[in-house]
Amino acid sequence: QVQLVESGGGVVQPGRSLRLACAASGFTFITYGMHWVRQAPGKGLEWVALISYDGNTKYYADSVKGRFTISRDNSRNTLYLQMNSLRPEDTAVYSCAKPALGYQLLDPFDYWGQGTLVTVSS
Amino acid sequence: DIVMTQSPDSLAVSLGERATINCKSSQSVLNSSNNKNYLAWYQQKPGQPPKLVIYWASTRESGVPDRFTGSGSGTDFTLTISSLQADDVAVYYCQQYYRVPCNFGQGTKLEIK
Repeated sequence: QVQLVESGGGVVQPGRSLRLACAASGFTFITYGMHWVRQAPGKGLEWVALISYDGNTKYYADSVKGRFTISRDNSRNTLYLQMNSLRPEDTAVYSCAKPALGYQLLDPFDYWGQGTLVTVSS
Repeated sequence: DIVMTQSPDSLAVSLGERATINCKSSQSVLNSSNNKNYLAWYQQKPGQPPKLVIYWASTRESGVPDRFTGSGSGTDFTLTISSLQADDVAVYYCQQYYRVPCNFGQGTKLEIK
């Protein structure tokens, strides 16, 4: 069965960095683009970033552009999110999400991880 | 960017009654080349990740009860739950996946009256 397990969250001071990981299993990771979505405490869903199946195409929300970098290691079936220059407004649960169809950049998300909490506070 | 706006923000419906949630996009999400609306609905219960309910605006995800119906085209969409069950209490989000950024609506909290 499909599993997406995020890790790397924690408490970090403003301006510092953090790298999140999403370990994928139960599907052919190398054939799927992947997304990061975040949810601030008590708030709605915010799309953060996406990466194509081969890692060559990346898109970011304006709110994180220039500070966050999405990447993947297809040999390890793992998705990453490098977060630099963190701000208090980046505090959220960060989840990875899998599109329903392979090779598609944009598709509905049929599987989500449970998420990892990032708290940016001094 | 395509902005997604849901209404209402919250909704209380009696068990067995109909619940209707609306979603409006600031631009059309209809692809005229394949006549598909790139619109999905998700259900999120407390402490859980979102669950895909409807995609292509009206296609029910496998395992979703047939009391859930999606409708609409272009810029105006509706999620209808024909006979509300206790298990349907959740926050519902629409999402467009037509263009990046694939934005979500702000969510509609559905409760039992």
